[in-house]
Parts: sequence; structure tokens; C-alpha cells
Amino acid sequence: QSVLTQPPSASGAPGQRVPISCSGGDSNIGRNTVHWYQHLPGMAPKLLIYSNDQRPPGVPDRFSGAKSGTSASLVISGLRSEDEGDYYCAAWDASLDVYVFATGTKVTVL
Amino acid sequence: QVQLEESGPGLVKPSKTLSLTCSVTGASIDSGTYYWTWIRQPAGKGLEWIGHIYASGKTNYHPSLKSRVTISLDTSKNQFSLQMNSVTAADTAVYYCATYRGTGSDFWGPGTVVSVSS
Repeated sequence: QSVLTQPPSASGAPGQRVPISCSGGDSNIGRNTVHWYQHLPGMAPKLLIYSNDQRPPGVPDRFSGAKSGTSASLVISGLRSEDEGDYYCAAWDASLDVYVFATGTKVTVL
Repeated sequence: QVQLEESGPGLVKPSKTLSLTCSVTGASIDSGTYYWTWIRQPAGKGLEWIGHIYASGKTNYHPSLKSRVTISLDTSKNQFSLQMNSVTAADTAVYYCATYRGTGSDFWGPGTVVSVSS
């Protein structure tokens, strides 16, 4: 079990908007920045969002992140078939002194 | 561009020690820019942070693995390593090495599969 919680699955048709939530606590999301990773089949995970809402170079602007209190969210706007995979939020936990990943959300393109 | 690549045995017997090495190019592991990190993913499960080491040699480990894990640096080869002792089938996973800084893990190795089986 992780201290960060995500829905196990999310889906949408191509072009649709898909939100993914990430719930944590005061010692992780409430105190530190949130990162989001995309893990496509057969690939290494890829940093998608850092510092709650920043995109690394090369990440399309249809991926956006936000944080409020002890929760965060990732939104995929204009869903594409190549977005199908697993998405993880993560944050440093000050109480555990570890970097925690949430359980992950499997995104399916219908 | 930082590149990382994991290497090590793909099969380890139960109760033995798992040893993996991560070779780094494009950055010096003693530069202090990154924490050098190990992460794993058991089959059908999510990502699990194992621990990291800084250029100073300071380490942090996941509490559930702390008693069995050692991460070390080899600055002469620009590599860092993971040793996990007393392995069981539960340690079967894809193991990734990665960089980490306050802005997340931006560079990852391709991953290596380690199976624990007799």
C-alpha cells in the first residue's frame, strides 16, 4: 500500500479529456512538490510533470498538472492512442524520508 | 544528456545476494547534481523506490528494505551499485536506475529484469 492514492484506471475516447487524481497527506503532497511519470509498455518511466505543474522539454502541452493542499491532478487533454499506459504521481515524504510513488493509474484509450 | 544502463545477473537464487550496477554517461556521479537512485517494479505492480545515494556517499533507503539494501558509488568507473541480500521471490522485478533531484527523476535506465528462483 502506498501513502499516495490514485484511481486504478481511467479511460476515454481519442480527443477526450482524462483527469487523474492523486491524494496524499501533510507529509508528502502537502509539504513537497508533486511529480508525474508516464510508463508506457516496454519502456522506462518518463518524467511528465515536475514541481506540480511544470513540463520538461519535449512533453506536449496537452499534459497538465495541478496541486491543491494534499491532492494533485494530471489532466490529459486531447487523448491520443499513444497515451495508453500507466501514470504515477510521486512526492518526497518528509515523515518516512522516502520518495513515494502512488499505486498508478492505467489509462485506456477506447 | 545523461544516460544510464543497468547490468547484472538476471537470475538470483533465494537467500542469496542480488547485485546490480548502473553505468552513467553524460554526468559525473561525484558532481553533486543528482541523487543516484534505484527503483523497481514487480510484475503486475507499481513502481517502488528502493533508495538513493548522493555524491557525498549519504544514502537513503526505503524503510521496508533498509536492513537488506546497500547502494554504493564507484567514482573511478562512474557507476553506482545496488546490493540486496537475503532475496526472496518477492524481490523478482524490473530494476531501474535513475537520477533524482528536487524536480523528479528525469533520466532512467532501460531497466533490467531480475528473477529470484532456484
